[in-house]
Amino acid sequence: GQSLEQPSEVTAVEGAIVQINCTYQTSGFYGLSWYQQHDGGAPTFLSYNALDGLEETGRFSSFLSRSDSYGYLLLQELQMKDSASYFCASSGDTPLVFGKGTRLSVIA
Amino acid sequence: DSGVTQTPKHLITATGQRVTLRCSPRSGDLSVYWYQQSLDQGLQFLIHYYNGEERAKGNILERFSAQQFPDLHSELNLSSLELGDSALYFCASSAPLAPYNEQFFGPGTRLTVL
Repeated sequence: GQSLEQPSEVTAVEGAIVQINCTYQTSGFYGLSWYQQHDGGAPTFLSYNALDGLEETGRFSSFLSRSDSYGYLLLQELQMKDSASYFCASSGDTPLVFGKGTRLSVIA
Repeated sequence: DSGVTQTPKHLITATGQRVTLRCSPRSGDLSVYWYQQSLDQGLQFLIHYYNGEERAKGNILERFSAQQFPDLHSELNLSSLELGDSALYFCASSAPLAPYNEQFFGPGTRLTVL
């Protein structure tokens, strides 16, 4: 089977840095990805890690440790528009399994 | 705009009825995935089609079925609807050689069963 654990809520201050952790149990693990979803919107692909290490895309970075079955999403220079839900998702024996999401609130 | 289209945006129906949700993938994408998103269950994978063939099944009920047509659009059929089927239904597509993880989601269909 497959399951992912991530915090349900995180609050951070505008301009700060926030890290959203994700641990997974995935049969035949292939990779970990992150999606952003604003209220009432569709999930939007942010990043994907298949190998250990850090992937950087602008203000967002994602990290994977396959040996620890762990990854995180790092958001820098937080902006109000970053307030959204963030999902980690793993692929393995089934195409994509999503965590329950972390609701990020950015406050002034 | 992801390039994936879904119709209708909203659907309100009664228990016991049958509905069809439609999805058109991005131009060039061969894969279509269907997901159900409800408040208590999160985003649940239902089924994956690739170039007209079923590739993987997730937590899809027997009352639900899907198909992908030669023009690559897909339909999700939900029958004998129950109150618990009320949810957002998303389809997503991905490029032919892209990993499962990189998917592009449509705007969703919000289904309300009364």
